[in-house]
Amino acid sequence: NAGVTQTPKFRILKIGQSMTLQCAQDMNHNYMYWYRQDPGMGLKLIYYSVGAGITDKGEVPNGYNVSRSTTEDFPLRLELAAPSQTSVYFCASSRGTVYEQFFGPGTRLTVL
Amino acid sequence: DQQVKQNSPSLSVQEGRISILNCDYTNSMFDYFLWYKKYPAEGPTFLISISSIKDKNEDGRFTVFLNKSAKHLSLHIVPSQPGDSAVYFCAASVAGGTSYGKLTFGQGTILTVHP
Repeated sequence: NAGVTQTPKFRILKIGQSMTLQCAQDMNHNYMYWYRQDPGMGLKLIYYSVGAGITDKGEVPNGYNVSRSTTEDFPLRLELAAPSQTSVYFCASSRGTVYEQFFGPGTRLTVL
Repeated sequence: DQQVKQNSPSLSVQEGRISILNCDYTNSMFDYFLWYKKYPAEGPTFLISISSIKDKNEDGRFTVFLNKSAKHLSLHIVPSQPGDSAVYFCAASVAGGTSYGKLTFGQGTILTVHP
């Protein structure tokens, strides 16, 4: 049982480039989330999904897009990367709204 | 507007003593609270949670207290161990309705336990 996996672990992008951060979970959780953590700050919600085909914006969605075609996968797309998107990105999943969220190991992204 | 605040950036305690981490919130709609622990280069891991219908929840060395009137919760670790050294995040959510379990996090407190 791998839990929540994220790839890549590290990435450096140039301004204006695009990339997709991958997230997968093998716990059959319906709820999945993307967060970003800036230095010295807590995690902020970017997007979330309550099931395949259903996604919605969180607190800081600008500059990002998501899709959820399967229960297992929840990729996060960055279009036209900007230095403000330099952060650590965490994916999480949960089996319900009153259950804890399980987090992946994170992707450290630097935009130069 | 920071709805969940951890006002102490860091805390240092001696091994075997009690660690008390504090968290305040402003949104009275929050009814489910969680504590997460995070080591460097890893994702947060769940520690303990509490529903607003309770004022205390225990799990081994970890106890969370909730004071709804003060909008304050705290995490007690007794006895503290060097392996507890990590960043601790408080998080809150509105369990029902259309919140879908979205968590609002505090900024984190760095706990250092000295041998």
